[in-house]
Amino acid sequence: SQELEQSPQSLIVQEGKNLTINCTSSKTLYGLYWYKQKYGEGLIFLMMLQKGGEEKSHEKITAKLDEKKQQSSLHITASQPSHAGIYLCGADYTGGFKTIFGAGTRLFVKA
Amino acid sequence: DAGVIQSPRHEVTEMGQEVTLRCKPISGHNSLFWYRQTMMRGLELLIYFNNNVPIDDSGMPEDRFSAKMPNASFSTLKIQPSEPRDSAVYFCASNHWGNGPAFFGQGTRLTVV
Repeated sequence: SQELEQSPQSLIVQEGKNLTINCTSSKTLYGLYWYKQKYGEGLIFLMMLQKGGEEKSHEKITAKLDEKKQQSSLHITASQPSHAGIYLCGADYTGGFKTIFGAGTRLFVKA
Repeated sequence: DAGVIQSPRHEVTEMGQEVTLRCKPISGHNSLFWYRQTMMRGLELLIYFNNNVPIDDSGMPEDRFSAKMPNASFSTLKIQPSEPRDSAVYFCASNHWGNGPAFFGQGTRLTVV
């Protein structure tokens, strides 16, 4: 969707390195979801952000939503091979039902 | 708790044949979504139901596609007749009243030859 841009499209990092994935919306978000998809499998929900400036962490993954609620970042600290997969951001513009997804970022972690 | 269950996981069919994909949402969820994922177009919302009623089918690509939800625990997505360009991974997802994140099934990989 052109409403939601993810960058980079793909990323190759050495195990142990930090990385950041970005998600930018052309409109103000009601909420923002981050999912991870392993190759050939379904989407696994990671985190939801709704408030401007909000930051959430789970294990080594931290997600932030900017104050304007138009940009989010996903940061992985000390990456591991288990972090490899496709990361997708999903935008909620209307307070429910219709989630628009970005194209995804393919992450490869070299051992 | 069981997650969203989809069947079959893989389907290979010949062009022109009817294909039916099945989904059982998470118990207690009253909103159900059908998505399609392709390399070219990414993840697209096809249709969603609330309390078994189709609310928005604007994402359904053509009249060849139809979806039903006869009860709270079962939904089908049917393609008739199927075409090679329908090849994709079809996901079903559910949540409560459309709020919060949707929880996805493992998907059905459809190949039309």
